[in-house]
Amino acid sequence: SQLAEENSWALSVHEGESVTVNCSYKTSITALQWYRQKSGKGPAQLILIRSNEREKRNGRLRATLDTSSQSSSLSITATRCEDTAVYFCATDTNAYKVIFGKGTHLHVLP
Amino acid sequence: NSKVIQTPRYLVKGQGQKAKMRCIPEKGHPVVFWYQQNKNNEFKFLINFQNQEVLQQIDMTEKRFSAECPSNSPCSLEIQSSEAGDSALYLCASSLSGGAFEQYFGPGTRLTVL
Repeated sequence: SQLAEENSWALSVHEGESVTVNCSYKTSITALQWYRQKSGKGPAQLILIRSNEREKRNGRLRATLDTSSQSSSLSITATRCEDTAVYFCATDTNAYKVIFGKGTHLHVLP
Repeated sequence: NSKVIQTPRYLVKGQGQKAKMRCIPEKGHPVVFWYQQNKNNEFKFLINFQNQEVLQQIDMTEKRFSAECPSNSPCSLEIQSSEAGDSALYLCASSLSGGAFEQYFGPGTRLTVL
C-alpha cells in the first residue's frame, strides 16, 4: 500500500490562477518533500518541509504540513504554462529510504 | 539543477537479454539511489548505496537485478535476463545523506523490452 499519496490524479487550471495539490501519508516522518517531474526528465525537488515545520515557501510555491492529520499541501500561485508537470510528495520511512506518492498531473492552460 | 548523469538515455532489449545502465552521481554525494518508474508514474525503490556499500535493497526477484557503485567508476544497474515487465524508466538519484535530504535525480534510462 502507498505510504504517501496525492489526493488528485489530475488538475487543470488556466495561467495566472492558483492551484493546490494535497498529499496524505501513513507513517511518522522526519520530513516531507515535494518534487516536480516534467515530461522526459527526472524529478526535481521543490520544497523539503521537516516534521517540526508547519509551512515553507519557495517563490510562488508554499507547502504546509499537518502532522496531526498526516497531510501536506503544495500551493502554486500565479501559475504558468511551464508549471505543467507531475507533482509528487515523498516521505522518508527511515534514515535512507524515501517513498513517493503516485503523483498529480497538473495542466496549466494558456 | 541536477548534475547526475545517466547513460544511456534509451535502451531497447529483447526478452532474455542483459540490460545495463550507468549513473554518475553528483560530486561529493555519498548516497546513491535507484528507482524504477512505471508507465503510471509509480516509483519502486530498488537499492541504495552509501559510498560503495549497499544500504537497503528490495528482494530483487530471482536475482535478475544487480547493482554496484565501485569507487572511481560509475554506478551501474544490470538486469541479467530482461522481461517485458521490466520496461520502465530507471532513475538514479544522489544525495548528501539519507531520506530527509534532497535527492538529485538524473534524467533516467528508458528501458523497453520487446
